[in-house]
Amino acid sequence: AIQMTQFPSSLSASVGDRVTITCRASQDIRSDLGWYQQKPGKAPKLLIFAASTLQSGIPSRFSGSRSGTDFTLTINSLQPEDFATYYCLQDYTFPFTFGPGTKVDL
Amino acid sequence: EVQLVESGGALVEPGGSLRLSCTASGLAFTIYGISWVRQAPGKGLEWVSFIGGRGAKKYYADSVKGRFTISRDNSENMLYLQMNSLRVEDTAVYYCAKDRLGYCNPGGCEGLDVWGQGTQVTVSS
Repeated sequence: AIQMTQFPSSLSASVGDRVTITCRASQDIRSDLGWYQQKPGKAPKLLIFAASTLQSGIPSRFSGSRSGTDFTLTINSLQPEDFATYYCLQDYTFPFTFGPGTKVDL
Repeated sequence: EVQLVESGGALVEPGGSLRLSCTASGLAFTIYGISWVRQAPGKGLEWVSFIGGRGAKKYYADSVKGRFTISRDNSENMLYLQMNSLRVEDTAVYYCAKDRLGYCNPGGCEGLDVWGQGTQVTVSS
């Protein structure tokens, strides 16, 4: 199975900060990666699909990029509602695999 | 509005069985593949299983292979997860989530765009 590493596992930030989260795949997954936001007690929400395409209704301060097997989620100008846990998911091949998550807190 | 609603979660003893359901509405159900994803208490997300739109393609995580069976009834817009030989480590909130695109193959479905609210499964004696 494809392994996804994600870093950092947690970070502290302030409103207005720029935040960067990285996922690395253990092998080529093309651009078949999505980013999900999850708040406590809630279902995950799709933010970015195909590595860099913003899901409908998601603010433009969220962006994604790919460099080989490294994928980055960037949040520009962090807002209070962005404090959450973020996961990447490779949907290139089964079994799908999530990264371990990054908790963004104040 | 597209909605997925899970049900069937319960407290069950180790070795027991449980069937989860996921009711879909507001979409052409038959064209979408759907996954089950779970989250153990205080842990991250774990993909569990997938079924294609017509029900022919099924995939499982190694952790549940041989114990869990995914199925769907397209006439009722229903998805199921039959869980047998349950273990304490199967304790989690279980979510169903649909592929963003219909009629797609893995690698071209562009993520899981609609999720249910989750149903709690607790395996304990």
